[in-house]
Parts: sequence; structure tokens; C-alpha cells
Amino acid sequence: EDQVTQSPEALRLQEGESSSLNCSYTVSGLRGLFWYRQDPGKGPEFLFTLYSAGEEKEKERLKATLTKKESFLHITAPKPEDSATYLCAVQGPSGSRLTFGEGTQLTVNP
Amino acid sequence: NAGVTQTPKFQVLKTGQSMTLQCAQDMNHNSMYWYRQDPGMGLRLIYYSASEGTTDKGEVPNGYNVSRLNKREFSLRLESAAPSQTSVYFCASKVVKGSNYGYTFGSGTRLTVV
Repeated sequence: EDQVTQSPEALRLQEGESSSLNCSYTVSGLRGLFWYRQDPGKGPEFLFTLYSAGEEKEKERLKATLTKKESFLHITAPKPEDSATYLCAVQGPSGSRLTFGEGTQLTVNP
Repeated sequence: NAGVTQTPKFQVLKTGQSMTLQCAQDMNHNSMYWYRQDPGMGLRLIYYSASEGTTDKGEVPNGYNVSRLNKREFSLRLESAAPSQTSVYFCASKVVKGSNYGYTFGSGTRLTVV
């Protein structure tokens, strides 16, 4: 059974204070690891897909990395508008479903 | 290009009532999904449709039925609502864009069963 664990559950940062969010996973045959951002009252918004260990992707202040057991979402010099819940999900070999973690709620104070 | 549209946005039902949640996508995607999101549980797959004319159960299908009406539309029906079905429901479709693919989600339906 695929499993995804995200840590920490909640993270408070000051504006400009860089940090990382962790996503640990177990899946037999990873087809893709996904990062999403979710704002209150909204649906998840797609950020990145990573396919294999060693892969990295960047978008503005966000950088996602992948190893065989975990993924990190690095946030460099965050701004208050980066405040959101960040969700990690994996897709196994069946390709028919995503297994989500519970998310990390990020708050960036000005 | 609206993406994935869900209706209604909010709904309150009494126990035992039935209702259908509607979802439509305008991106010509083959695969569509229904998830529910509950505090402390994350997003869980209810049903999915890999292509028009096919549907399959996900992780938590009990108490739900689905219909893939055509390529654009995928509806979720609660035949006899229960308080345990109080949740936020999200519809999604699968995006394939070159070397990068993901899932596009709707804005959700917030359902309360009393």
C-alpha cells in the first residue's frame, strides 16, 4: 500500500527566512511524485511533478527535489503570499490514483 | 478555458436525502477523478474514470455512485446521505503536457449532512 507522510504539520516563518518541507513516501514503482499548493477554500493547485531520484524542479521561490525515499520542497526567501497548505502525492505503477499526504500548513509572517 | 468546474459550491443535506455533484472539464482530458478531503485524512479517491464509458472504484467508494456522462462530464451521486459523508469533494482531471503532467482540480463542493 502506498504511503505518504509530510512533516512538519505546520510551519511558521518570517518573511525571507528560508526553509524546507519534507515528504517521505513508500510506493512500489514510483510513476510520479507531485507537489500541490492549496489555499483556504480552494482546490489544490499543481506545482511540480518529479519522476526519478536526483530530479529537481524550480518555480519562483520554490524548488522541489527527489530521492528514492523522500522529496523536499525548498522555499527560498518566502513572502506572505506563499502562505498555504502544501500537499505531496505519489502515483504508483497502476497509474490510476494519487496517494496524498496530509499536508504542511505554511504561514509566512511579514 | 475554465478548467474543471464543480457545482454546487455548498450544500446542506438531511440524512437520507440524495443529491448529485456535477463536474465538467473543458480541456479534452480522458481521465477524471472524485476525491474527498477530510481533516487529518488528506485527500482520498472515491471513484475515477480512465476514459469515457469506464468507471472504477477508488479507496472509499461505499455510499457513492458515479456516471461518466460524456468526455466532459463526471458526476458523483449520494443515494442516501449520511453524516459521515460530510466533507469537501473535489473533482479532478489528468493533465499531460510534454514531460510534465499532473492533475487539475476544481474548486470543490462543501457538503454538510445533518
